[in-house]
Amino acid sequence: DAGVIQSPRHEVTEMGQEVTLRCKPISGHDYLFWYRQTMMRGLELLIYFNNNVPIDDSGMPEDRFSAKMPNASFSTLKIQPSEPRDSAVYFCASSFGRGGHNEQFFGPGTRLTVL
Amino acid sequence: AQKVTQAQTEISVVEKEDVTLDCVYETRDTTYYLFWYKQPPSGELVFLIRRNSFDEQNEISGRYSWNFQKSTSSFNFTITASQVVDSAVYFCALSAWPGNQFYFGTGTSLTVIP
Repeated sequence: DAGVIQSPRHEVTEMGQEVTLRCKPISGHDYLFWYRQTMMRGLELLIYFNNNVPIDDSGMPEDRFSAKMPNASFSTLKIQPSEPRDSAVYFCASSFGRGGHNEQFFGPGTRLTVL
Repeated sequence: AQKVTQAQTEISVVEKEDVTLDCVYETRDTTYYLFWYKQPPSGELVFLIRRNSFDEQNEISGRYSWNFQKSTSSFNFTITASQVVDSAVYFCALSAWPGNQFYFGTGTSLTVIP
């Protein structure tokens, strides 16, 4: 079975440009998570969805970040406009079942560089 | 509030040595789950193990073992006879029922020197 799929794997853009990161969770999973990883701040949860509905977006750094999940098999994280401090690795993860007792499966990540 | 502390930022060992990675957690919930993940140099996060708060039995899987002690709020991870392939960043994480959010520690970077 395919794991969590993320695209693109690498993205280099210039400050001020719009960036869209994509994620396909594991089929049948009802939770989807977006994380950001930097050396300074480690792994940060940005937002998570349950059955395509955003549950907690308190980790989204500011209004420049937005996330959507139009259906059970696709989610996007958009940054508009991008800034150099957004440079990081962005991970998508999915899991099944309420209560946090099941492991989250992570995608390979998208390495974003904003020049 | 939930919190996970991995006090060891970086550890270096010589191949075949045993190494223990520490994880201390804080929670007021009685039902919670603890996890370990491995992040090798390639970057992906790989799930290693899950324990629930009602099961304090230690677990061994090959060269890996985990020691869960509620009395000290610790969930430590030991690698026996370390190998170069064990070089990675290891994360401990906590989730508490009924929430689904994981609280990750800051990670311990393990380098195994051949």
